[in-house]
Amino acid sequence: EIVLTQSPGTLSLSPGERATLSCRASQSVSSSYLAWYQQKPGQAPRLLVYGASSRATGIPDRFSGSGSGTDFTLTISRLEPEDLAVYYCQQYGDSPRTFGQGTKVETK
Amino acid sequence: EVQLVQSGADVKKPGESLKISCKGSGYTFTNYWIAWVRQMPGKGLEWMGTIYPSNSETKYSPSFQGQVTISADKTISTAYLQWNSLKASDTALYYCARHYVHTGPFDYWGQGTLVTVSS
Repeated sequence: EIVLTQSPGTLSLSPGERATLSCRASQSVSSSYLAWYQQKPGQAPRLLVYGASSRATGIPDRFSGSGSGTDFTLTISRLEPEDLAVYYCQQYGDSPRTFGQGTKVETK
Repeated sequence: EVQLVQSGADVKKPGESLKISCKGSGYTFTNYWIAWVRQMPGKGLEWMGTIYPSNSETKYSPSFQGQVTISADKTISTAYLQWNSLKASDTALYYCARHYVHTGPFDYWGQGTLVTVSS
């Protein structure tokens, strides 16, 4: 099973700042089958990025994904108030599909 | 518009059985896999398993194999998650989500079904 470790656990930032979220895999992720999801309180998760760097439909361009192998990053270039949420990475290339434990982005 | 609409919250006692549902609309149900994801109170996301409604091919996470059953009825575009004997530790929010290929991201999610198991 591929274990995904996200850091930091909590990120405290002000609107307009840049957010950098990390996801590290215990072994190489097949074909960059790595996705990022956003979950706001009381809501279902929403797909942000797939294939490590492709934005999902309707996702603003301030969200970007990068990385390969075992190290992946989600960057929010300029934080908006509506971006406050928990962010999860997921690998979907190997079974079982696994999620990271999440990074909470909160207001400083 | 693609929608996955899940059945409502349920409260059960330990040992009881339960089947929750996820109805797809706005797309060809048999062309996509449906996954089930557990979120325990205040915790993260866990993939439980997935089904291809076209032929009912099913894959389970080792953590959930034998604990739950995933099924689908393609004639009514609905997938199911069921338990034969619930435990208090099954208390959680359960989401369904679709993915296009077996190795695909979860691009649409249901609203979640809260299952509470308490004596």
